Amino acid sequence: DAMVIQNPRYQVTQFGKPVTLSCSQTLNHNVMYWYQQKSSQAPKLLFHYYDKDFNNEADTPDNFQSRRPNTSFCFLDIRSPGLGDAAMYLCATSRDTLAGAQGDTQYFGPGTRLTVL
Amino acid sequence: DQQVKQNSPSLSVQEGRISILNCDYTNSMFDYFLWYKKYPAEGPTFLISISSIKDKNEDGRFTVFLNKSAKHLSLHIVPSQPGDSAVYFCAARNTGNQFYFGTGTSLTVIP
Repeated sequence: DAMVIQNPRYQVTQFGKPVTLSCSQTLNHNVMYWYQQKSSQAPKLLFHYYDKDFNNEADTPDNFQSRRPNTSFCFLDIRSPGLGDAAMYLCATSRDTLAGAQGDTQYFGPGTRLTVL
Repeated sequence: DQQVKQNSPSLSVQEGRISILNCDYTNSMFDYFLWYKKYPAEGPTFLISISSIKDKNEDGRFTVFLNKSAKHLSLHIVPSQPGDSAVYFCAARNTGNQFYFGTGTSLTVIP
């Protein structure tokens, strides 16, 4: 019954060692999002895909990249993790939401907690 | 700059009483507002939403109120139950499909 799946749930990496987090969805939603959430802070949008169109937030560091090879999967690549990148990473999906469309929401995965040693 | 703010990090309420969670926003272009509930070790789950063209939406024990002139929304839970204890996030969506979240309010319902 899982709709948005994130693997792994816990990831430990070393300072500077590239790491990839994965997200998959069974909802066939057009839009997929990646958020970073640090302790006691709001989830912060890093980027999102509208189908294959990539939309980067202006303040997302270049260290963060994303790939969406098909509708179901989306990956977050952190090229050179720093200690400040330790956080919970949340993947979410939503349907095609044009301006004026109502009733849409995001569906979140359980998150991947990243630890950087 | 935080576009969605939840100024109360925590709230405690007796079981059976009303819980009121508040949220303020700064961007008048937001067209849709949502509340999410989050338990430990889980992702946020959708609770209730409201369009910017409405001022109230009710779903069972949950009601969301929107005051556009004040750029303020609130979530009312009546009656509060111990199972409602969780972190509640307020979020707002713009027409570019971007969602902005508040920092959350941790609700504790005391039996």
